[in-house]
Amino acid sequence: DTGVSQNPRHKITKRGQNVTFRCDPISEHNRLYWYRQTLGQGPEFLTYFQNEAQLEKSRLLSDRFSAERPKGSFSTLEIQRTEQGDSAMYLCASSGPRLGTYNEQFFGPGTRLTVL
Amino acid sequence: QKEVEQNSGPLSVPEGAIASLNCTYSDRGSQSFFWYRQYSGKSPELIMSIYSNGDKEDGRFTAQLNKASQYVSLLIRDSQPSDSATYLCAVIPGNQFYFGTGTSLTVIP
Repeated sequence: DTGVSQNPRHKITKRGQNVTFRCDPISEHNRLYWYRQTLGQGPEFLTYFQNEAQLEKSRLLSDRFSAERPKGSFSTLEIQRTEQGDSAMYLCASSGPRLGTYNEQFFGPGTRLTVL
Repeated sequence: QKEVEQNSGPLSVPEGAIASLNCTYSDRGSQSFFWYRQYSGKSPELIMSIYSNGDKEDGRFTAQLNKASQYVSLLIRDSQPSDSATYLCAVIPGNQFYFGTGTSLTVIP
């Protein structure tokens, strides 16, 4: 399977705990995006990488959220001191010259986070 | 004002009919526009991209863009029950990517 993969697919945690999600983009895609989606809403942009550089971060993203893409391949999204309001589906997408233009994003299956 | 607005629906059409989905956006400088389909419990799937004013056709799907009116639409011809999903409009102004809340479409057999 050469699509975007995300792990874990589901995560249940207690309020106050830290969680980390991983995204592996489509091979050779140099752009990687993180989104958050809650029920009945469209995906909400969180941040965007081109290779290892984080080029854009949503103003809505609190300091508890951090993302990295250290070698320009996979990326991690960490949420510190989780709150119940963080419960959502976290989506990763990638884009690049293969399988479409730079702006055509392909999504992974998502990580569903539940904060108790 | 939201960057991207869609009628949330639900929109119901009979099988074989044309489904028309609409989207407006606020940033006049936007250059790239996309339609995604999202089945319940799944992630968004790219259907169409459009960058220039006018129509773009791909199979049963036609995307229409009118930058002067800041309006983009998606037509689905010969609608099938398998087209029942939420359709998301997405726009890129600058380096961020904005999605609408989506329109729920039900195709009735």
